[in-house]
Amino acid sequence: KAGVTQTPRYLIKTRGQQVTLSCSPISGHRSVSWYQQTPGQGLQFLFEYFSETQRNKGNFPGRFSGRQFSNSRSEMNVSTLELGDSALYLCASSLAETDTQYFGPGTRLTVL
Amino acid sequence: SQQGEEDPQALSIQEGENATMNCSYKTSINNLQWYRQNSGRGLVHLILIRSNEREKHSGRLRVTLDTSKKSSSLLITASRAADTASYFCATDLNTDKLIFGTGTRLQVFP
Repeated sequence: KAGVTQTPRYLIKTRGQQVTLSCSPISGHRSVSWYQQTPGQGLQFLFEYFSETQRNKGNFPGRFSGRQFSNSRSEMNVSTLELGDSALYLCASSLAETDTQYFGPGTRLTVL
Repeated sequence: SQQGEEDPQALSIQEGENATMNCSYKTSINNLQWYRQNSGRGLVHLILIRSNEREKHSGRLRVTLDTSKKSSSLLITASRAADTASYFCATDLNTDKLIFGTGTRLQVFP
């Protein structure tokens, strides 16, 4: 069974631009969560989707948004990029709530 | 904010030695998970221990959970150079929202 895939793997953007990251969960997994990892703040929860509905949201500004499609694939969008948005963005999928989460390789976003 | 604090922040050992990492958390949990991360790459799930369990084993890994002290420990026995990575504990609060600790950087020298 294929693991969680994330595209693109690396991305360089400039301040003020917007970016969309994509995540394909493990087949059969309906829950997708997103995390941001930075050296200063560590791993922080962004949001979680289940059956196309956002169930949980972390403490991030409204510039960070996401969605989930009927095939469970998910996208996250960051608008009006800031230098501090440079981070590794990780996506994880799980079968159900409180089950083990399996992580993708991440998308490394650099904002110049 | 982070729920978990891990100790030590960094650990250096020789191959063959055991490595012990500790994690403390703040609120009641549903379960606690340990993950490994190699050089800023994705997280690899190691083991999940539920709040009603006290100890769990998986290969060379042994995890304990003490809910009265709100702490967990991960023991890696007979460490190998390939175990060099950062290790994170993560807790959930009955949702899929994982709250990660600060991590322990383990360096295993051949």
